Amino acid sequence: DAMVIQNPRYQVTQFGKPVTLSCSQTLNHNVMYWYQQKSSQAPKLLFHYYDKDFNNEADTPDNFQSRRPNTSFCFLDIRSPGLGDAAMYLCATSRDLGETQYFGPGTRLLVL
Amino acid sequence: ELKVEQNPLFLSMQEGKNYTIYCNYSTTSDRLYWYRQDPGKSLESLFVLLSNGAVKQEGRLMASLDTKARLSTLHITAAVHDLSATYFCAVFLMNRDDKIIFGKGTRLHILP
Repeated sequence: DAMVIQNPRYQVTQFGKPVTLSCSQTLNHNVMYWYQQKSSQAPKLLFHYYDKDFNNEADTPDNFQSRRPNTSFCFLDIRSPGLGDAAMYLCATSRDLGETQYFGPGTRLLVL
Repeated sequence: ELKVEQNPLFLSMQEGKNYTIYCNYSTTSDRLYWYRQDPGKSLESLFVLLSNGAVKQEGRLMASLDTKARLSTLHITAAVHDLSATYFCAVFLMNRDDKIIFGKGTRLHILP
């Protein structure tokens, strides 16, 4: 049974056209993360939520925003995607900070 | 700033052979993770190592942690083709940003 679900699995958008990626979890975990992973690179943390507390990484571009309306859902909004934003976006959850992260299947974003 | 270095970054080996992947990190931490990633897929948690001297084994993979040396190893015994994947180590930066830093990953290719 899927515990961390991401939708869509593949997303094609146009340069500059806003896009939203979705993540949901059935684990009731406190922490939800968004990572960006480009080809042959390590995942790069964009931000995380501890419950409702939002924590942005210092080098995450302003173009990237996130919302967590409730425990189960978290969204990644890319306001004006550029070609360099094409990547796999991974959502992960953990029960608490520092505990094992459970990753969703990812959303592969293509920017035309 | 915490740095996590893995080596080798690429490894091609024959089935049946043994090998070790190394993960060094630059500052104090007592929590280290190993993840597996298949091409085009998400990350799968393999091991969480929580204390100095911790050793965990699952099938042909064994991970260990030496917090004094700031070193973790992932040992592969009698490799089989199905273990071909990219392996990431990640270190928890507790009480300093409370985030996990990933190494660059080791791409392992096991030749049948």
